[in-house]
Amino acid sequence: GNSVTQMEGPVTLSEEAFLTINCTYTATGYPSLFWYVQYPGEGLQLLLKATKADDKGSNKGFEATYRKETTSFHLEKGSVQVSDSAVYFCALSEPRRGSSNTGKLIFGQGTTLQVKP
Amino acid sequence: DTGVSQDPRHKITKRGQNVTFRCDPISEHNRLYWYRQTLGQGPEFLTYFQNEAQLEKSRLLSDRFSAERPKGSFSTLEIQRTEQGDSAMYLCASSISGSRETQYFGPGTRLLVL
Repeated sequence: GNSVTQMEGPVTLSEEAFLTINCTYTATGYPSLFWYVQYPGEGLQLLLKATKADDKGSNKGFEATYRKETTSFHLEKGSVQVSDSAVYFCALSEPRRGSSNTGKLIFGQGTTLQVKP
Repeated sequence: DTGVSQDPRHKITKRGQNVTFRCDPISEHNRLYWYRQTLGQGPEFLTYFQNEAQLEKSRLLSDRFSAERPKGSFSTLEIQRTEQGDSAMYLCASSISGSRETQYFGPGTRLLVL
């Protein structure tokens, strides 16, 4: 079945360090891929997305490229801030079956990022 | 556009009681999803509606769970005879159906069953 695997956390970095959070997926067909972020006590916020192979999603200094050949969608940021501390979820939108697209999301288990000043 | 809202934000109940949660989606969104998130895990799909029609239910959704979206706007999720294992965050999301669909989430309802 369709699934998402993320690197285990927590990931602890100093401010201004480079961030990579690995995400790989298994899916039949061509899913859309997403990164969501969850700050303490809040709901999920969309961070970025990519809908087809080789697309790069970007937002707030974060980037991720849809790599079909390696079935990956790794999240990167060049210089993290303390305010980036949160839980990051990689997700895929279940691919089309025939003419329908359920759109339901399948999430990884989440990666906690802690950024220290 | 005020985003997706959920009510209540927190609910504490005793085992065996019934609880009902409400979700108000973004107004022009025709799809509405319910997910459940337990501590340290990613959200898991429960069910979704397109307009007022419930199109899919997960096997996670036991007979004690029921969801409605009577007029294609807000939705309710009811859990009957709650069990301690139902303790979780219940998340609602809405979207516009299409090939580039993006779901927007509400703040969630945290349920604790004692």
